[in-house]
Amino acid sequence: AQKVTQAQTEISVVEKEDVTLDCVYETRDTTYYLFWYKQPPSGELVFLIRRNSFDEQNEISGRYSWNFQKSTSSFNFTITASQVVDSAVYFCALSEPALKYSGGGADGLTFGKGTHLIIQP
Amino acid sequence: EAEVAQSPRYKITEKSQAVAFWCDPISGHATLYWYRQILGQGPELLVQFQDESVVDDSQLPKDRFSAERLKGVDSTLKIQPAELGDSAMYLCASSSFYYPPHNEQFFGPGTRLTVL
Repeated sequence: AQKVTQAQTEISVVEKEDVTLDCVYETRDTTYYLFWYKQPPSGELVFLIRRNSFDEQNEISGRYSWNFQKSTSSFNFTITASQVVDSAVYFCALSEPALKYSGGGADGLTFGKGTHLIIQP
Repeated sequence: EAEVAQSPRYKITEKSQAVAFWCDPISGHATLYWYRQILGQGPELLVQFQDESVVDDSQLPKDRFSAERLKGVDSTLKIQPAELGDSAMYLCASSSFYYPPHNEQFFGPGTRLTVL
């Protein structure tokens, strides 16, 4: 069974500080996908990144960076020089290739409980 | 840019009433998902369709919830009768195996249900 753990329920930092959101996952499959989504107060889920299990390269996109480590089953997310607009709930999620039917595709996402990030001015 | 459409955006109902939510996925997306997000938690998958077929409804409370995707395009999720514990955000998502970005799930804006 799949499981995603986000141990940090809420993090509060002052603007311009760096902040890291932790994500630990469990899966028995060797092929899987990991995601981060942002959910601002308006409620929509905003896709941030997807990594597949064979690509352990870290990624940087502007102020965002992701550290994927299979050895510790972690996929952590760092925001550098945080801004008030980064305030939101952030979800880590996991999915596996669908095996229940032909045609490829992926299973539904298993989400963590989310980390509420508060950036204070 | 193509988007997943959902309606209504908000729904208030009394317990024991029936409610229905509608989702129109991105054109060409064969896979459609319904998730429920209770306040303060992450979304949970309720049902997954591949074209018009259900491929996973293991977490769907089948005594009161039903979902259909008759022509393999848009979908309806129904609750009858609604209970207080059904108050949540209901999110629809779609993805495509064949078109890039492969298997990325695009989410709609959600329907926020309040059961009184």
